[in-house]
Amino acid sequence: SYFLTQPPSVSVAPGKTARVTCGGNNVGTQSVHWYQQRPGQAPVLVIYDNNDRPSGIPERFSGSNSGNTATLTISGVEAGDEADYYCQVWHRSRGVFGGGTKLTV
Amino acid sequence: QVQLVESGGGLVKPGGSLKLSCLVSGFTFNDHYMSWIRQAPGKGLEWISYIDTLGNVIYYADSVRGRFTVSRDNARNTMSLQTNNLRSEDTAVYYCARGQDYIWGSPHDFWGQGTLVVVSS
Repeated sequence: SYFLTQPPSVSVAPGKTARVTCGGNNVGTQSVHWYQQRPGQAPVLVIYDNNDRPSGIPERFSGSNSGNTATLTISGVEAGDEADYYCQVWHRSRGVFGGGTKLTV
Repeated sequence: QVQLVESGGGLVKPGGSLKLSCLVSGFTFNDHYMSWIRQAPGKGLEWISYIDTLGNVIYYADSVRGRFTVSRDNARNTMSLQTNNLRSEDTAVYYCARGQDYIWGSPHDFWGQGTLVVVSS
């Protein structure tokens, strides 16, 4: 089985930069997708293929992926960014999600 | 606009069955793969099944293989999940999600609002 490891929580002050990591064996060779889930809502895609943004997602959201770690970076964090964030890959006929990171602003 | 609407959730006893449905609109259904993803109360996301555009390629998570069956009817814009031999650990909100396109590896770009399944005696 393949696992993705995320920190349970990250705290950041408004206006600062938040970084959420996603660790996995050679994850840098895979395409990582990131989802934001606000309380009581369905997940929303915020980054796909490591560093691409869907339309409507602010430029403040960016991603990177190398070696054993993928990172979601949120610049100029706003109160509305407070949510759970999940990374996801496809690996050997399986969808794999990280355990999720609660971002507190 | 793209819409995915799940239905069929409810309260069921251990060992029971439910059939979940996902009705989609606003896009060409047979251009996209589909997934079911669930979330137990207070827990993270768990992918449970994938079905390709024609329903010919299907994958399951180990936790549900042999008990759950996914299918799709492209003429009716509907995907279904037949869940059998349900266990308490299957209690979760079940989401249907659209693949960005037909390609394996692309992300889930739209999600439904979910349907709650509670397995309890």
